[in-house]
Amino acid sequence: ETGVTQTPRHLVMGMTNKKSLKCEQHLGHNAMYWYKQSAKKPLELMFVYSLEERVENNSVPSRFSPECPNSSHLFLHLHTLQPEDSALYLCASTQHLAGGGNEQFFGPGTRLTVL
Amino acid sequence: GDSVTQMEGPVTLSEEAFLTINCTYTATGYPSLFWYVQYPGEGLQLLLKATKADDKGSNKGFEATYRKETTSFHLEKGSVQVSDSAVYFCALTSTGTASKLTFGTGTRLQVTL
Repeated sequence: ETGVTQTPRHLVMGMTNKKSLKCEQHLGHNAMYWYKQSAKKPLELMFVYSLEERVENNSVPSRFSPECPNSSHLFLHLHTLQPEDSALYLCASTQHLAGGGNEQFFGPGTRLTVL
Repeated sequence: GDSVTQMEGPVTLSEEAFLTINCTYTATGYPSLFWYVQYPGEGLQLLLKATKADDKGSNKGFEATYRKETTSFHLEKGSVQVSDSAVYFCALTSTGTASKLTFGTGTRLQVTL
């Protein structure tokens, strides 16, 4: 595998289910991100992990719970979601540098539908 | 805070037409600027970037120049192809503990024969 991979690619879940999204980066990067992409809205940054520590949480509801067990893996645990949480969830990684400016590499996304 | 403004889409062009997608930004300091492209059913891919004023990023026939005086980073291509049909996102990074991308809303491009 190369780049950033995400599984599953598609997920349909009921509001009472618990599921997890998985992201893996094969680039040796030290920072990983979760984004939410909804129709007709800008990409929303959800969480940022740098060196396996969460450095940003953009007021995301507690029904979304991230986990970063090591620098290569990132999970998003989902429980009691709402229909408005249906969206494309994108994972990204980067090699963070002190001066900034490095691009992020994105996975293909997980298309989530909440019934 | 930082922000990115892109022209509203969709943009519909005939093959071989000239493309411009406008992007302006608001940021403190000296951000790096990016164009990402998203093809149907896929994640975002970096198209090009520029890290300082007057830099020109280029890739696959696309170009954009970092204009600090007008705070702009317009995307151009001289002759579009049907395969360029996608959504294009302008973005910038702020500096800090982890590079944070601020995106525009995206511009859908549809190229027809």
